[in-house]
Amino acid sequence: GAVVSQHPSWVICKSGTSVKIECRSLDFQATTMFWYRQFPKQSLMLMATSNEGSKATYEQGVEKDKFLINHASLTLSTLTVTSAHPEDSSFYICSATWGGGTDTQYFGPGTRLTVL
Amino acid sequence: DAKTTQPPSMDCAEGRAANLPCNHSTISGNEYVYWYRQIHSQGPQYIIHGLKNNETNEMASLIITEDRKSSTLILPHATLRDTAVYYCIVRERGDDKIIFGKGTRLHILP
Repeated sequence: GAVVSQHPSWVICKSGTSVKIECRSLDFQATTMFWYRQFPKQSLMLMATSNEGSKATYEQGVEKDKFLINHASLTLSTLTVTSAHPEDSSFYICSATWGGGTDTQYFGPGTRLTVL
Repeated sequence: DAKTTQPPSMDCAEGRAANLPCNHSTISGNEYVYWYRQIHSQGPQYIIHGLKNNETNEMASLIITEDRKSSTLILPHATLRDTAVYYCIVRERGDDKIIFGKGTRLHILP
């Protein structure tokens, strides 16, 4: 199956700093990438949908100015958590698809963010 | 909101077949049934999907009832590595979004 990577796999930062997480599709061109957040013992929650070359579409309740998403190429999307606070500590997961509706989404391994 | 209902947890003995049920009584004609699983602290892994016919691949089999209101994921010979949360998802053709429900936490018992 297709491979999606994330970097870093984990990060610890101080409150008030910004953190960038990268999501790469390694062996296919991803027309659409998705960003999810998962709190402990909960399911994945979709944060935003990112299409290459256009602005991301955010789900209701997700602050677009806090979670900056850039999908500059067909193989890379980045999520920047700006001015992170302890409540932003979570498991962030991206997925990628080459589109088509019934095409499968392939998920990255996730990034564990801990804000002190 | 998720369009599926799954039991919160199940146990299965190692080496036995694990049968995971999913209800999707409001599924529409152009919605597919997808199954993913998530092993602890990893990203979800695609397992299988289908529209109305039964499907089989190297990981699992998917049995969809004739009225398409429910389905069963079958892991034919469960191993300890199959311990994970299994998500049943319905997606409409043309909609790339995946909305995850709570899934079924499958415990494989040695």
